[in-house]
Amino acid sequence: ILNVEQSPQSLHVQEGDSTNFTCSFPSSNFYALHWYRWETAKSPEALFVMTLNGDEKKKGRISATLNTKEGYSYLYIKGSQPEDSATYLCASGYSTLTFGKGTMLLVSP
Amino acid sequence: DAGVIQSPRHEVTEMGQEVTLRCKPISGHNSLFWYRQTMMRGLELLIYFNNNVPIDDSGMPEDRFSAKMPNASFSTLKIQPSEPRDSAVYFCASSFETGSGELFFGEGSRLTVL
Repeated sequence: ILNVEQSPQSLHVQEGDSTNFTCSFPSSNFYALHWYRWETAKSPEALFVMTLNGDEKKKGRISATLNTKEGYSYLYIKGSQPEDSATYLCASGYSTLTFGKGTMLLVSP
Repeated sequence: DAGVIQSPRHEVTEMGQEVTLRCKPISGHNSLFWYRQTMMRGLELLIYFNNNVPIDDSGMPEDRFSAKMPNASFSTLKIQPSEPRDSAVYFCASSFETGSGELFFGEGSRLTVL
């Protein structure tokens, strides 16, 4: 079982602030790193799937980077909006994914 | 596409009763996963099927838990007998390919065992 860690556990920012979270994972036998967005009372939805060292992906104001050699990924949100409030999960693995416990983001207007 | 469909959405039962949770994956997806979400442990993988065959059930907590996938469009997770510590949200997810394929989650079944 992989050890996937996320920090911080929770984050409270003001609308317009930019923020970032960290996901760390074992660098040995790396295959893929996933980021999911999980809104309250809904199901997790995939944001990014990253496989290559140095990969950088972007979707609107959200972007992610990947460092497989040192075993970490960053998720960035530029100009946070209240609708960005959610729990952000990362996961790593091959045939099965091990999830971190997530970073809970609250964006206040 | 209707997405991954789970039922029931909510179940409240008494300790000792049998609980059956159901999942219909997205058509064409060949991998199906059952996860359990708790505050303490986050999302934990219970079991993974590929092409209807159980591949990894190492996350199934104990013999009270069992899962089946009789065909490509249906899976069940059964708890018998249920205990209060089984209270959690159970998610089913499917994917088109293992590894780099993103997971598509159902809306979850919230189980409360009294």
